[in-house]
Amino acid sequence: DTEVTQTPKHLVMGMTNKKSLKCEQHMGHRAMYWYKQKAKKPPELMFVYSYEKLSINESVPSRFSPECPNSSLLNLHLHALQPEDSALYLCASSQAATNYGYTFGSGTRLTVV
Amino acid sequence: RKEVEQDPGPFNVPEGATVAFNCTYSNSASQSFFWYRQDCRKEPKLLMSVYSSGNEDGRFTAQLNRASQYISLLIRDSKLSDSATYLCVVNPSGGYNKLIFGAGTRLAVHP
Repeated sequence: DTEVTQTPKHLVMGMTNKKSLKCEQHMGHRAMYWYKQKAKKPPELMFVYSYEKLSINESVPSRFSPECPNSSLLNLHLHALQPEDSALYLCASSQAATNYGYTFGSGTRLTVV
Repeated sequence: RKEVEQDPGPFNVPEGATVAFNCTYSNSASQSFFWYRQDCRKEPKLLMSVYSSGNEDGRFTAQLNRASQYISLLIRDSKLSDSATYLCVVNPSGGYNKLIFGAGTRLAVHP
């Protein structure tokens, strides 16, 4: 079992819906991330949280809104998405230092209709 | 120029073969380097970190050449279970742990 848990695993939503993706880790990691991955493409960074503060926003549209309620939880709130936002959304966590790789969750496969 | 570039692949090899993947990165100040493996419709999983002195983990050997900004992964005695996409990953700067992924190289090992 992965140590980073994402829910739901699959999500279908309409363009007027509001939904949230959830991510949880209990490894004591202090950095958490959201990545987006389209088919046959590498993961692309969206947001970085470090010590529960947003430290990087890779110019992500405001229809994606991240939230870090505590050091173990990371949410991604979705509103008014477009069909081209359909993708695999991956959460990851790591030690805060720069020499560690990430541990990824299994992702949420999002389809916008 | 992309920040991280990899061999295009796919690589189709028989079981038992040795296969090498190459990767280059553009930012000479890059701090840390990794190889990840991703199976179809699964999340990426850390295969190994890459150190300047080179490092080995069983059948896998990773090398880093900072002067040439070049990273390699060698897989010896390929197994069917090695079939996956291999992602070269770089942290382009110090400070926050921001990892940039290469496009990946697909490996298919056949009997």
